Amino acid sequence: AAGVIQSPRHLIKEKRETATLKCYPIPRHDTVYWYQQGPGQDPQFLISFYEKMQSDKGSIPDRFSAQQFSDYHSELNMSSLELGDSALYFCASNLLLTHNEQFFGPGTRLTVL
Amino acid sequence: TQLLEQSPQFLSIQEGENLTVYCNSSSVFSSLQWYRQEPGEGPVLLVTVVTGGEVKKLKRLTFQFGDARKDSSLHITAAQPGDTGLYLCAGAVNLNAGGTSYGKLTFGQGTILTVHP
Repeated sequence: AAGVIQSPRHLIKEKRETATLKCYPIPRHDTVYWYQQGPGQDPQFLISFYEKMQSDKGSIPDRFSAQQFSDYHSELNMSSLELGDSALYFCASNLLLTHNEQFFGPGTRLTVL
Repeated sequence: TQLLEQSPQFLSIQEGENLTVYCNSSSVFSSLQWYRQEPGEGPVLLVTVVTGGEVKKLKRLTFQFGDARKDSSLHITAAQPGDTGLYLCAGAVNLNAGGTSYGKLTFGQGTILTVHP
């Protein structure tokens, strides 16, 4: 079965640079979620999109933005990167009305130097 | 803000022993998921419970959702070294279309399980 695809898997950036993370949800899933997981931490919700519209917003810095495109893939744009942004970034997708069974991608490991 | 308290944070046991991981909250959740996560990988869904009092079994793993849908437990029988990993509980509150929350997950702190041969 197709899973959530994330790219790139690893990304190394310098401080103050920008980064774009991509997520391709499971086909026919209508909702995409972004989570950030710091070292030794549990995943923290950043933002979600339902049918290409932002549906919820968590603890996402103003330096970050995201969108969902017509083909349902999503991109997380991160600007003015800081050392503290180094983390694993996960995308998850689901069909909203299916008891919220979210399926996670393999993640993007972002390292800010 | 919904919070999930997961315990214990660390668990180190011998092969063949039984164990239980707890997930507690003061909030009611519409559904609760249990995930297993390997280092550097995404969480993998083990089970979803949605009905108060529900019990689900997955081979040697038994999951229970509290009657009030505020707590859950994961019980592993006869643990094996292959069970070693990080276990996460996560709750979701689904509001209707007029609400502002569309199923984001609130995670517990996780339980790092180590099963020694």
